[in-house]
Amino acid sequence: DAGVTQSPTHLIKTRGQQVTLRCSPISGHKSVSWYQQVLGQGPQFIFQYYEKEERGRGNFPDRFSARQFPNYSSELNVNALLLGDSALYLCASSLDAVTTDTQYFGPGTRLTVL
Amino acid sequence: KNEVEQSPQNLTAQEGEFITINCSYSVGISALHWLQQHPGGGIVSLFMLSSGKKKHGRLIATINIQEKHSSLHITASHPRDSAVYICAVRMNYGGSQGNLIFGKGTKLSVKP
Repeated sequence: DAGVTQSPTHLIKTRGQQVTLRCSPISGHKSVSWYQQVLGQGPQFIFQYYEKEERGRGNFPDRFSARQFPNYSSELNVNALLLGDSALYLCASSLDAVTTDTQYFGPGTRLTVL
Repeated sequence: KNEVEQSPQNLTAQEGEFITINCSYSVGISALHWLQQHPGGGIVSLFMLSSGKKKHGRLIATINIQEKHSSLHITASHPRDSAVYICAVRMNYGGSQGNLIFGKGTKLSVKP
């Protein structure tokens, strides 16, 4: 079975541009979470979606938005890119949104903002 | 103060050595995860613990809920164990409920 997939794997943008990152969860998983990992740091929680609804949001500005589609795939959008948005963006899926679920991580999208 | 602290930050070992990585947290949790991240970014979930001890191959993870502390042990370490090991907790209350708070990771390098 395919694991969590993310696209693209790498992306280079300039300041002020907008970016869309995509995530496909493991088949049967209904919850998708997004994390940002800046170089040398642990990941930080951005969003969780479950059954197409936002279930949680981390401490990120409104420039960050996301959505989940009926097939449970998800997109993360970042507007007005800043240099500090350069990071590895990780998507993780789980069966449900309960606290005892194991999250399975995708390979990440590495975003570089110039 | 970070809610999840790991030690050491960096660890170099010789092949065959027994390795311990520690994780302390300051909040009430419903579960603790140990994750492995290889160069390039991919994260693999090693263990999820809410109490006691779990073992998988050469890896052992323990948790002491009262002391808010967990350890990851690697027996008979091998160069392929070289990676960043991350501790993450799932809070059982508050705005982050249902999602993970991560430590900064421990970078392990095992020399042949």
